[in-house]
Amino acid sequence: GAGVSQSPSNKVTEKGKDVELRCDPISGHTALYWYRQSLGQGLEFLIYFQGNSAPDKSGLPSDRFSAERTGGSVSTLTIQRTQQEDSAVYLCASNYETVNSPLHFGNGTRLTVT
Amino acid sequence: GENVEQHPSTLSVQEGDSAVIKCTYSDSASNYFPWYKQELGKGPQLIIDIRSNVGEKKDQRIAVTLNKTAKHFSLHITETQPEDSAVYFCAALDYGQNFVFGPGTRLSVLP
Repeated sequence: GAGVSQSPSNKVTEKGKDVELRCDPISGHTALYWYRQSLGQGLEFLIYFQGNSAPDKSGLPSDRFSAERTGGSVSTLTIQRTQQEDSAVYLCASNYETVNSPLHFGNGTRLTVT
Repeated sequence: GENVEQHPSTLSVQEGDSAVIKCTYSDSASNYFPWYKQELGKGPQLIIDIRSNVGEKKDQRIAVTLNKTAKHFSLHITETQPEDSAVYFCAALDYGQNFVFGPGTRLSVLP
């Protein structure tokens, strides 16, 4: 079946511009996560949506970052007034809202801020 | 909150040898531990996982062991092949259903 889909795969933007990154989770998955991966680094948690509960936004690095999930499916991560340090790969993952359900990742959006 | 450490950060082995990657976690309430393999330009892919009521799990050339008392778990890859070269991440699922990842191990299998 279809996996987690992210778009665009690559995004180059100028410093100060806003960007939107999209994630389509696996159909039926009720939980959705966003992570950031800087070059050669690990996975930095950003935000977590679980069903109808309020999202866990504890990982968002600044108020320039926000995310929403419409209809319990597609999610958009928005970065306002981008900075060069925002350059990274942004990964989305989803899973079932059950105990011990593994995450399934998309291939990410590579964001470059010039 | 949960903290996951992973060692080594880089590992080079000869083809056919075994590779072992070790992780430790801090939160004794964590009860699920997946391992992911990430190839260049792709997202991490689940390769094996283990739940806290199990001490060992094996899938062909890959095995994971868990020591809950010591709060550490390890990935074992036997008969390594060049296609095993990748970055490997361990993770722990904390009580709040959030996955905390280790910093990763870059494995190189030399032909």
